[in-house]
Amino acid sequence: QKEVEQNSGPLSVPEGAIASLNCTYSDRVSQSFFWYRQYSGKSPELIMSIYSNGDKEDGRFTAQLNKASQYVSLLIRDSQPSDSATYLCAVNVNTGNQFYFGTGTSLTVIP
Amino acid sequence: DVKVTQSSRYLVKRTGEKVFLECVQDMDHENMFWYRQDPGLGLRLIYFSYDVKMKEKGDIPEGYSVSREKKERFSLILESASTNQTSMYLCASSNPQGRETQYFGPGTRLLVL
Repeated sequence: QKEVEQNSGPLSVPEGAIASLNCTYSDRVSQSFFWYRQYSGKSPELIMSIYSNGDKEDGRFTAQLNKASQYVSLLIRDSQPSDSATYLCAVNVNTGNQFYFGTGTSLTVIP
Repeated sequence: DVKVTQSSRYLVKRTGEKVFLECVQDMDHENMFWYRQDPGLGLRLIYFSYDVKMKEKGDIPEGYSVSREKKERFSLILESASTNQTSMYLCASSNPQGRETQYFGPGTRLLVL
């Protein structure tokens, strides 16, 4: 079983809609959770981090964490064409300081 | 401002050549990582380092070696490049505290002919 799993997509949403990206992880001792955005041909850039159960909002982005269900999600409100990218979920397990990345979900926002 | 730089954005090499990819970070981070990224396979960890002269194998170390002589610099070496090592190579760094994220360099797209 993979450490971090994401639906590969592609996910398409119309401009102005809410995009919902989901991620599950297998290691119960995972402590920190991150969402990265990666444009085609570019490197990943951090957009959200979350450490506690519940929601964390930053502008149009909301990260949601449920440790009991081992589930983390990213909501993008009022989606824009510039949000079209691949979104990577990452989990940090304190022991060993390793990060585990999902394979990414490709999002396309249609004007 | 956080900065991770990589020596080349694009490289074209011949099969059998020795290839050096360099990564430098200016954040005084202790941890440094080398990944390769291929379509459909996501990010795969090649090697990482917790400290100067320390290295640990990741998930796919075969065909690669690394060097970390200074804290800010982490080099990836392909001893004898092969066509299946054509990929995007990404360097990252972080501090060991649990909540620290990884910061990525711009990536090197390597083509082995």
